[in-house]
Amino acid sequence: GESVGLHLPTLSVQEGDNSIINCAYSNSASDYFIWYKQESGKGPQFIIDIRSNMDKRQGQRVTVLLNKTVKHLSLQIAATQPGDSAVYFCAERPGNTGKLIFGQGTTLQVKP
Amino acid sequence: NAGVTQTPKFRVLKTGQSMTLLCAQDMNHEYMYWYRQDPGMGLRLIHYSVGEGTTAKGEVPDGYNVSRLKKQNFLLGLESAAPSQTSVYFCASSPGVGKETQYFGPGTRLLVL
Repeated sequence: GESVGLHLPTLSVQEGDNSIINCAYSNSASDYFIWYKQESGKGPQFIIDIRSNMDKRQGQRVTVLLNKTVKHLSLQIAATQPGDSAVYFCAERPGNTGKLIFGQGTTLQVKP
Repeated sequence: NAGVTQTPKFRVLKTGQSMTLLCAQDMNHEYMYWYRQDPGMGLRLIHYSVGEGTTAKGEVPDGYNVSRLKKQNFLLGLESAAPSQTSVYFCASSPGVGKETQYFGPGTRLLVL
């Protein structure tokens, strides 16, 4: 069946370092991918998205990379800050369904 | 704009009681969604709506009903609450086809005893 998974449940980085959060997806028909950040007690917040016709997309301090060959998605956060501490979810959209399938999440811990 | 708002923020129910969770969005979005989030798990889709007057089942629809009588509101009902429905419920909305980014509300924490 469809699944979106994250390779590591918890990632701990030093403040100022770069963070890389990985995600694997299984549905070849997925054509849209999105990353969310969820802080404790809050709803998920949109970070960045990418369509399947792109390999890379950059935002402010964040970059999303898409490798369709191996069905892999990654989120890179530059110069990680304490405010980046949160759970990060990737999600995929299998075709033109209007629905998203979410992974289980990776907790990012930033050490001062 | 308030974005997506949810009412109530927190509720305690006894097994067998019923309740309705309200989601409202002021962004004129076509699509709306209800998810549940359990500890250590991602978001699972309960029901969704692609327009006023329409609803569809998601991944975990059993025990829930929904209604979308107005474009800006999406209601989630629990007819007979069970302890397994203890969870955090999130509502989201998106503009529609071609604009898939979903915007989430702050969540409703539900405890069923």
